[in-house]
Amino acid sequence: GVTQSPTHLIKTRGQQVTLRCSSQSGHNTVSWYQQALGQGPQFIFQYYREEENGRGNFPPRFSGLQFPNYSSELNVNALELDDSALYLCASSSRGLGETQYFGPGTRLLVL
Amino acid sequence: AQTVTQSQPEMSVQEAETVTLSCTYDTSESDYYLFWYKQPPSRQMILVIRQEAYKQQNATENRFSVNFQKAAKSFSLKISDSQLGDAAMYFCAYPYSGAGSYQLTFGKGTKLSVIP
Repeated sequence: GVTQSPTHLIKTRGQQVTLRCSSQSGHNTVSWYQQALGQGPQFIFQYYREEENGRGNFPPRFSGLQFPNYSSELNVNALELDDSALYLCASSSRGLGETQYFGPGTRLLVL
Repeated sequence: AQTVTQSQPEMSVQEAETVTLSCTYDTSESDYYLFWYKQPPSRQMILVIRQEAYKQQNATENRFSVNFQKAAKSFSLKISDSQLGDAAMYFCAYPYSGAGSYQLTFGKGTKLSVIP
């Protein structure tokens, strides 16, 4: 399955954070979502073959990487209080109808 | 832009009874897919059911089924014989291709409580 680390993280405003995701075997696409408390997930960006191929309405301080083994990182610079959320990673094969399989998420708290 | 609307923030159902969660969406596409995901308190989003719009037959997965009304752009989830483990947030999601990606647009969710 999809795994994410760490499970919880506490940072202070202005710091930088890196979240990690290991995709499910056989999947070549990783998507990242931000889920604020009580809301549905919001798309951040998607990686396919180590390149970003789509971004939601998030500023450039949200960036990412995908590695040759299809695992991925989400980096957030200059953390703001509003970045406090659950960050979900989803892996899938590439295609519109392909099911995205989610990891357990990383809960980030910015103080 | 594609939108997904879940008009029931909270629902409750008696154990062993049936409940229906509503979802409407907006799209100009003719071929597309729709998903229902479940998110229990453990946080992990789990696929419940997937529907292909070009298939007239409603998708079913054990106790879970959908009522897909393409013309009305409605995609409701029916849970039969509700169990305590069904208590969770349920999200309706529409995938669309934008700027080369295949991203999910989610509704705000419906919190389902199951009463013993």
